[in-house]
Amino acid sequence: NAGVTQTPKFQVLKTGQSMTLQCAQDMNHNSMYWYRQDPGMGLRLIYYSASEGTTDKGEVPNGYNVSRLNKREFSLRLESAAPSQTSVYFCASSSGSRETQYFGPGTRLLVL
Amino acid sequence: EDQVTQSPEALRLQEGESSSLNCSYTVSGLRGLFWYRQDPGKGPEFLFTLYSAGEEKEKERLKATLTKKESFLHITAPKPEDSATYLCAVPSSGGSYIPTFGRGTSLIVHP
Repeated sequence: NAGVTQTPKFQVLKTGQSMTLQCAQDMNHNSMYWYRQDPGMGLRLIYYSASEGTTDKGEVPNGYNVSRLNKREFSLRLESAAPSQTSVYFCASSSGSRETQYFGPGTRLLVL
Repeated sequence: EDQVTQSPEALRLQEGESSSLNCSYTVSGLRGLFWYRQDPGKGPEFLFTLYSAGEEKEKERLKATLTKKESFLHITAPKPEDSATYLCAVPSSGGSYIPTFGRGTSLIVHP
């Protein structure tokens, strides 16, 4: 099992460009999450999907949109990237919201 | 508001020098506490889940304990390969139970 996979691993964008971060899990988990991690700020939840067909905002949703494509896949879209969105993005999944989360390797995004 | 506070922010130890990391939390009705390890450039990796005060769990040189207000991660005779950032998380008291993460403790063990 691959666990949680994320693409791309690294991306450089110019201000105003758009992109989609992809995440997939092969553990048959119901819940999936997108976090960003910045120095000194810890992990902050952007959006989550408690189950297929549902999505909800987390702590820092502004500037992002998500799509739960199916049970396996959960994508994060930046419509118009800003330098403040320079960060490391982690996708995670769990069998339920109170259960252990399993994280992907991360996407490092630099917005110039 | 749910809060998770970890201390210290950074800890430097000599190989073999035992110590403890702290995670204190304010949440209504604890529904578990998670410890994760994060190596540089990688995603967090699950270590332990604790559910009730008095519970303890061990893995190699690590032992996690839980009280009603805080959790400790004890590191006994650490080795350089234990160097990492250690994160704790607590499910929120709201209906979603989404975990709230602390900012982590960065541990460096010198040989």
